[in-house]
Amino acid sequence: NAGVTQTPKFQVLKTGQSMTLQCAQDMNHEYMSWYRQDPGMGLRLIHYSVGAGITDQGEVPNGYNVSRSTTEDFPLRLLSAAPSQTSVYFCASSYLGQGVSPLHFGNGTRLTVT
Amino acid sequence: QQQVKQSPQSLIVQKGGISIINCAYENTAFDYFPWYQQFPGKGPALLIAIRPDVSEKKEGRFTISFNKSAKQFSLHIMDSQPGDSATYFCAASIGGAQKLVFGQGTRLTINP
Repeated sequence: NAGVTQTPKFQVLKTGQSMTLQCAQDMNHEYMSWYRQDPGMGLRLIHYSVGAGITDQGEVPNGYNVSRSTTEDFPLRLLSAAPSQTSVYFCASSYLGQGVSPLHFGNGTRLTVT
Repeated sequence: QQQVKQSPQSLIVQKGGISIINCAYENTAFDYFPWYQQFPGKGPALLIAIRPDVSEKKEGRFTISFNKSAKQFSLHIMDSQPGDSATYFCAASIGGAQKLVFGQGTRLTINP
């Protein structure tokens, strides 16, 4: 199993450009989510999904869009990049249901917006 | 408004010593408290977690101490090793392990 795979690893954008950060998991997890990591602020939840066709906002959703057409994939879209979106982005997934299923994180995408 | 506050921001410990990282939370509805470990260039990985119905949980050299009345919990790393050098995050959530609220992180360095 590859776990949670994020692409690309690094990306540089100019202000106003758009891009999609890819996330795929091969563990058949129902739950998928996106976090951003900034120095001194920990990780903050952007968007999450509890299954195909279902998405919801987290703590910091502005400027980001998501969709979930399959169980495996959960892309994050930046429609018009801003310098404030410079960050490291992590995708995470887990099972839902009875018991506690921990989040499994990918290795991140480092995004710089100039 | 930071719902989970973590301290210190950075910590240097000698090999063999005890590393202690503290977290405080505000929302009494939180019912799951994990600690995550992150190495450079990698994503966070679950280290150990606790529910509020117990005051302590130990897994090998790692122990979580939980004080429900003070709304605080801490990670203790016994016999700290250079391989423990990483960034540690505390977190909290309600009703499961999914929508985690993270602390600010602590960069731990273990000197050989």
